[in-house]
Amino acid sequence: DAEITQSPRHKITETGRQVTLACHQTWNHNNMFWYRQDLGHGLRLIHYSYGVQDTNKGEVSDGYSVSRSNTEDLPLTLESAASSQTSVYFCASRKGVNTEAFFGQGTRLTVV
Amino acid sequence: TQLLEQSPQFLSIQEGENLTVYCNSSSVFSSLQWYRQEPGEGPVLLVTVVTGGEVKKLKRLTFQFGDARKDSSLHITAAQPGDTGLYLCAGGSGNQFYFGTGTSLTVIP
Repeated sequence: DAEITQSPRHKITETGRQVTLACHQTWNHNNMFWYRQDLGHGLRLIHYSYGVQDTNKGEVSDGYSVSRSNTEDLPLTLESAASSQTSVYFCASRKGVNTEAFFGQGTRLTVV
Repeated sequence: TQLLEQSPQFLSIQEGENLTVYCNSSSVFSSLQWYRQEPGEGPVLLVTVVTGGEVKKLKRLTFQFGDARKDSSLHITAAQPGDTGLYLCAGGSGNQFYFGTGTSLTVIP
């Protein structure tokens, strides 16, 4: 069965360190997204990609970057982790406009 | 900028009661989706509505897309403890979609 997986599920890091969260999907979807989820804010879009070599900034992209070298993977990098980036991060993929988005199980990141 | 506001943010009701969750925006969307999320999991799609005024029913859940495609509602009839979870609306604009602030529902047996 096709799936979307995130790793790690939990991560504790120190302020100022670079951190990369992995997202891998086997749906063969062109569209992939990264969100962060914080209480009272729902899911906020960080970055998204419509295909290989395509990346775009979302509404809360400062301090984050992504790269898309193949269809399956969209790693999210925190260049210099800050305490404000403590959150739960979700990766999603979908086939196209108005279609179902499939989510990973999330990565809980704590920056101390 | 949060494009979609949901109300109420928290809702705690007794089993068997009815409830309505609202999703409002000043923006027009090409589609509106509702997702349900359980603790420790990612959101799972419940429904997609694409036409202004559209109503869809999924067992005890009724979803409506506003005529102007700026708002939506989710109505649950005779709520069950299994309905407990976080309900999220998501507005589609092109290939992007933006989530609402979420409604946390607790149904007490």
